[in-house]
Amino acid sequence: QSALTQPASVSGSPGQSITISCTGTSSDVGSYNLVSWYQQHPGKAPKLMIYEVSKRPSGVSNRFSGSKSGNTASLTISGLQAEDEADYYCCSYAGSSNVVFGGGTKLTVL
Amino acid sequence: QVQLVQSGAEVKKPGASVKVSCKASGYTFTSYDINWVRQATGQGLEWMGWMNPNSGNTGYAQKFQGRVTMTRNTSISTAYMELSSLRSEDTAVYYCARVFYDFWSGYSSYNWFDPWGQGTLVTVSS
Repeated sequence: QSALTQPASVSGSPGQSITISCTGTSSDVGSYNLVSWYQQHPGKAPKLMIYEVSKRPSGVSNRFSGSKSGNTASLTISGLQAEDEADYYCCSYAGSSNVVFGGGTKLTVL
Repeated sequence: QVQLVQSGAEVKKPGASVKVSCKASGYTFTSYDINWVRQATGQGLEWMGWMNPNSGNTGYAQKFQGRVTMTRNTSISTAYMELSSLRSEDTAVYYCARVFYDFWSGYSSYNWFDPWGQGTLVTVSS
């Protein structure tokens, strides 16, 4: 099972919006509307930000949104804030009880 | 509150085994699957497998099959991940994570994880 493909890095200025892509295959992202996204600050455990492609857990800011088209899922962060600077990982169900993560994207807030 | 607390850092020699624990509190331990995810220094997240604490059923990523064993002790609400035949490439932080359940839809998925443990650093070095 190959990792999902994410850009290594993205950046944006405070107040701007950025989008992180996550490309898989027809066996994972393309087959299931179950993509999740995680935020990880340095030295910390990951935090669930988006599940089921576009849903937010309680307590997650509505500045975070998710979508999917075909084999590619996307995470959009609007109104960028300094505290959004972190690593972001997408994750998909891949069938037969298997899970695959993306390689991760480092978000820099300029 | 729902919490997963992991055991402390370990240093192992190549060829040895390591067993990491993950103690759950704040919920019914047997009601939610536990997953294990690892992260080498400066690298991404890597899913290792899942365990159903009620039945003991497990599912392992192909990469780890034959080397990983996930077990539990329901009397103390604790899950375990044992990795054998350690090599230097296994040096990483190992996380346990509970499956997230959406109470509105009544649905959960293998790849929704919340909360996570604090992580356990396993160092493999001769």
